Amino acid sequence: DGGITQSPKYLFRKEGQNVTLSCEQNLNHDAMYWYRQDPGQGLRLIYYSQIVNDFQKGDIAEGYSVSREKKESFPLTVTSAQKNPTAFYLCASSTGRLDEQYFGPGTRLTVT
Amino acid sequence: SQKIEQNSEALNIQEGKTATLTCNYTNYSPAYLQWYRQDPGRGPVFLLLIRENEKEKRKERLKVTFDTTLKQSLFHITASQPADSATYLCALVLNTGFQKLVFGTGTRLLVSP
Repeated sequence: DGGITQSPKYLFRKEGQNVTLSCEQNLNHDAMYWYRQDPGQGLRLIYYSQIVNDFQKGDIAEGYSVSREKKESFPLTVTSAQKNPTAFYLCASSTGRLDEQYFGPGTRLTVT
Repeated sequence: SQKIEQNSEALNIQEGKTATLTCNYTNYSPAYLQWYRQDPGRGPVFLLLIRENEKEKRKERLKVTFDTTLKQSLFHITASQPADSATYLCALVLNTGFQKLVFGTGTRLLVSP
Protein backbone atom coordinates (compact mmCIF):
# COMPACT_ATOMS: atom_id res chain seq x y z
CA ASP A 1 0.00 0.00 0.00
CA GLY A 2 1.21 3.50 -0.82
CA GLY A 3 1.12 6.14 1.86
CA ILE A 4 2.85 8.11 4.55
CA THR A 5 3.91 6.72 7.89
CA GLN A 6 4.81 8.65 10.98
CA SER A 7 6.26 7.23 14.12
CA PRO A 8 5.72 7.08 16.96
CA LYS A 9 2.04 7.95 17.37
CA TYR A 10 2.62 9.28 20.88
CA LEU A 11 5.87 10.70 22.22
CA PHE A 12 6.71 11.98 25.67
CA ARG A 13 9.84 13.98 26.48
CA LYS A 14 11.25 16.03 29.28
CA GLU A 15 11.83 19.72 28.76
CA GLY A 16 15.31 20.46 27.44
CA GLN A 17 15.61 17.31 25.35
CA ASN A 18 15.72 17.22 21.57
CA VAL A 19 13.39 14.75 19.91
CA THR A 20 13.16 13.51 16.31
CA LEU A 21 9.87 12.64 14.62
CA SER A 22 9.96 10.22 11.73
CA CYS A 23 8.15 10.64 8.41
CA GLU A 24 8.42 8.17 5.50
CA GLN A 25 6.50 8.08 2.22
CA ASN A 26 6.41 5.54 -0.60
CA LEU A 27 4.30 7.64 -2.99
CA ASN A 28 7.36 8.78 -4.95
CA HIS A 29 6.43 12.38 -4.18
CA ASP A 30 9.03 15.10 -4.58
CA ALA A 31 7.56 17.51 -2.03
CA MET A 32 7.23 16.90 1.70
CA TYR A 33 5.92 19.12 4.48
CA TRP A 34 5.75 19.34 8.25
CA TYR A 35 2.82 20.99 10.01
CA ARG A 36 1.93 21.63 13.58
CA GLN A 37 -1.69 21.56 14.80
CA ASP A 38 -2.82 23.14 18.06
CA PRO A 39 -6.37 23.25 19.46
CA GLY A 40 -8.37 26.08 17.92
CA GLN A 41 -5.72 26.81 15.30
CA GLY A 42 -5.30 25.76 11.72
CA LEU A 43 -2.38 23.66 10.58
CA ARG A 44 0.77 25.77 10.49
CA LEU A 45 3.68 25.06 8.18
CA ILE A 46 7.00 24.37 9.92
CA TYR A 47 9.30 23.27 7.07
CA TYR A 48 8.92 22.06 3.53
CA SER A 49 11.12 20.34 0.99
CA GLN A 50 10.54 20.39 -2.76
CA ILE A 51 13.38 18.07 -3.65
CA VAL A 52 16.01 15.86 -2.06
CA ASN A 53 18.82 17.71 -0.26
CA ASP A 54 16.83 20.94 -0.23
CA PHE A 55 14.40 22.35 2.33
CA GLN A 56 12.99 25.71 3.31
CA LYS A 57 11.58 27.30 6.45
CA GLY A 58 7.85 27.64 6.74
CA ASP A 59 5.91 30.06 8.89
CA ILE A 60 6.98 28.75 12.31
CA ALA A 61 10.44 27.18 11.83
CA GLU A 62 12.09 28.52 14.99
CA GLY A 63 13.13 25.71 17.31
CA TYR A 64 12.85 23.03 14.63
CA SER A 65 15.25 21.43 12.18
CA VAL A 66 14.85 18.97 9.30
CA SER A 67 16.87 16.96 6.81
CA ARG A 68 16.03 15.50 3.40
CA GLU A 69 18.78 13.05 2.53
CA LYS A 70 16.43 10.59 0.81
CA LYS A 71 13.34 11.23 -1.31
CA GLU A 72 11.16 9.07 0.91
CA SER A 73 12.25 10.44 4.30
CA PHE A 74 11.82 13.85 5.96
CA PRO A 75 12.52 13.68 9.71
CA LEU A 76 11.75 16.63 11.99
CA THR A 77 13.79 17.44 15.10
CA VAL A 78 12.10 19.44 17.81
CA THR A 79 14.92 21.13 19.70
CA SER A 80 15.04 22.45 23.23
CA ALA A 81 14.85 25.96 21.73
CA GLN A 82 11.20 25.41 20.77
CA LYS A 83 9.23 27.24 23.48
CA ASN A 84 5.94 25.35 23.21
CA PRO A 85 6.70 21.96 21.68
CA THR A 86 3.63 20.11 22.93
CA ALA A 87 1.40 19.70 19.87
CA PHE A 88 0.12 17.34 17.18
CA TYR A 89 2.64 17.09 14.34
CA LEU A 90 1.60 16.15 10.83
CA CYS A 91 3.77 15.22 7.89
CA ALA A 92 2.48 15.47 4.32
CA SER A 93 3.67 14.90 0.79
CA SER A 94 2.58 15.91 -2.68
CA THR A 95 3.77 15.87 -6.26
CA GLY A 96 4.67 19.53 -5.77
CA ARG A 97 2.18 20.74 -8.33
CA LEU A 98 -1.09 22.42 -7.31
CA ASP A 99 -2.79 19.19 -6.23
CA GLU A 100 -3.72 17.52 -2.99
CA GLN A 101 -1.42 16.78 -0.10
CA TYR A 102 -1.36 13.35 1.49
CA PHE A 103 -1.06 13.37 5.25
CA GLY A 104 0.40 10.89 7.67
CA PRO A 105 -1.44 9.77 10.82
CA GLY A 106 0.40 12.32 12.99
CA THR A 107 2.57 12.23 16.10
CA ARG A 108 1.30 13.70 19.34
CA LEU A 109 4.26 15.11 21.25
CA THR A 110 3.97 15.96 24.92
CA VAL A 111 6.84 17.77 26.65
CA THR A 112 6.76 18.19 30.41
CA SER B 1 -4.13 41.27 7.71
CA GLN B 2 -4.54 37.91 6.04
CA LYS B 3 -7.22 35.66 7.48
CA ILE B 4 -9.00 32.46 6.63
CA GLU B 5 -12.10 31.80 8.70
CA GLN B 6 -14.33 28.84 9.30
CA ASN B 7 -17.15 28.70 11.81
CA SER B 8 -15.56 27.51 15.04
CA GLU B 9 -18.89 26.37 16.46
CA ALA B 10 -19.91 22.81 15.72
CA LEU B 11 -22.66 22.28 13.18
CA ASN B 12 -25.32 19.85 14.35
CA ILE B 13 -27.73 18.42 11.78
CA GLN B 14 -30.04 15.46 11.42
CA GLU B 15 -29.30 12.52 9.21
CA GLY B 16 -30.59 13.02 5.68
CA LYS B 17 -30.29 16.80 5.73
CA THR B 18 -27.78 18.88 3.78
CA ALA B 19 -24.83 20.26 5.72
CA THR B 20 -23.35 23.54 4.51
CA LEU B 21 -19.97 24.71 5.78
CA THR B 22 -18.45 28.11 5.08
CA CYS B 23 -14.90 29.25 4.44
CA ASN B 24 -14.15 32.98 4.15
CA TYR B 25 -10.81 34.58 3.49
CA THR B 26 -9.32 38.07 3.30
CA ASN B 27 -6.19 39.45 1.66
CA TYR B 28 -5.27 36.21 -0.10
CA SER B 29 -5.27 35.45 -3.81
CA PRO B 30 -5.48 31.68 -3.91
CA ALA B 31 -4.92 29.72 -7.08
CA TYR B 32 -7.00 26.84 -5.77
CA LEU B 33 -9.03 25.98 -2.72
CA GLN B 34 -9.14 22.52 -1.16
CA TRP B 35 -11.34 20.82 1.40
CA TYR B 36 -10.11 18.11 3.76
CA ARG B 37 -11.79 15.88 6.30
CA GLN B 38 -10.10 15.21 9.64
CA ASP B 39 -11.19 12.63 12.19
CA PRO B 40 -10.08 12.98 15.83
CA GLY B 41 -6.42 12.13 16.34
CA ARG B 42 -5.80 11.47 12.64
CA GLY B 43 -4.32 13.28 9.67
CA PRO B 44 -6.51 15.22 7.22
CA VAL B 45 -7.81 13.44 4.13
CA PHE B 46 -8.27 15.29 0.86
CA LEU B 47 -11.84 15.59 -0.43
CA LEU B 48 -12.16 18.15 -3.21
CA LEU B 49 -10.21 20.79 -5.06
CA ILE B 50 -11.68 23.76 -6.90
CA ARG B 51 -9.77 26.19 -9.11
CA GLU B 52 -10.24 29.96 -9.11
CA ASN B 53 -11.94 29.88 -12.51
CA GLU B 54 -14.42 27.19 -11.45
CA LYS B 55 -17.69 28.08 -9.79
CA GLU B 56 -18.72 24.65 -8.61
CA LYS B 57 -17.33 21.13 -8.23
CA ARG B 58 -19.16 17.94 -7.32
CA LYS B 59 -18.11 14.52 -6.12
CA GLU B 60 -20.80 12.05 -5.14
CA ARG B 61 -22.67 13.69 -2.21
CA LEU B 62 -20.19 16.54 -1.94
CA LYS B 63 -20.40 19.93 -3.63
CA VAL B 64 -18.03 22.88 -3.36
CA THR B 65 -18.52 26.41 -4.63
CA PHE B 66 -15.86 29.09 -4.93
CA ASP B 67 -16.67 32.78 -5.26
CA THR B 68 -13.48 34.82 -5.68
CA THR B 69 -15.47 38.08 -5.57
CA LEU B 70 -17.01 37.29 -2.20
CA LYS B 71 -13.79 35.48 -1.18
CA GLN B 72 -15.84 32.57 0.01
CA SER B 73 -16.19 28.85 -0.49
CA LEU B 74 -19.19 26.78 0.54
CA PHE B 75 -18.95 23.04 1.15
CA HIS B 76 -22.14 20.99 1.00
CA ILE B 77 -22.80 17.40 2.03
CA THR B 78 -26.18 16.20 0.82
CA ALA B 79 -28.12 13.32 2.39
CA SER B 80 -25.77 13.49 5.38
CA GLN B 81 -25.01 10.38 7.41
CA PRO B 82 -23.65 9.89 10.94
CA ALA B 83 -20.43 8.64 9.30
CA ASP B 84 -19.97 12.16 7.89
CA SER B 85 -19.36 13.45 11.43
CA ALA B 86 -15.84 14.90 11.45
CA THR B 87 -13.98 18.20 11.27
CA TYR B 88 -13.79 19.75 7.81
CA LEU B 89 -10.86 21.97 6.92
CA CYS B 90 -10.62 24.40 4.06
CA ALA B 91 -7.21 25.25 2.67
CA LEU B 92 -6.17 28.00 0.31
CA VAL B 93 -3.56 26.92 -2.21
CA LEU B 94 -1.13 29.75 -2.85
CA ASN B 95 1.08 29.63 -5.90
CA THR B 96 4.20 31.04 -4.26
CA GLY B 97 6.80 29.07 -6.17
CA PHE B 98 5.81 25.99 -4.23
CA GLN B 99 2.49 24.54 -3.22
CA LYS B 100 1.76 26.42 0.00
CA LEU B 101 -1.46 25.57 1.82
CA VAL B 102 -3.01 27.94 4.33
CA PHE B 103 -5.54 26.15 6.50
CA GLY B 104 -8.61 27.33 8.29
CA THR B 105 -9.28 26.16 11.83
CA GLY B 106 -11.96 23.74 10.68
CA THR B 107 -15.63 23.25 11.44
CA ARG B 108 -16.82 20.21 13.34
CA LEU B 109 -19.88 18.55 11.84
CA LEU B 110 -22.10 16.29 13.95
CA VAL B 111 -24.77 14.28 12.15
CA SER B 112 -27.28 12.66 14.46
CA PRO B 113 -29.40 9.64 13.49
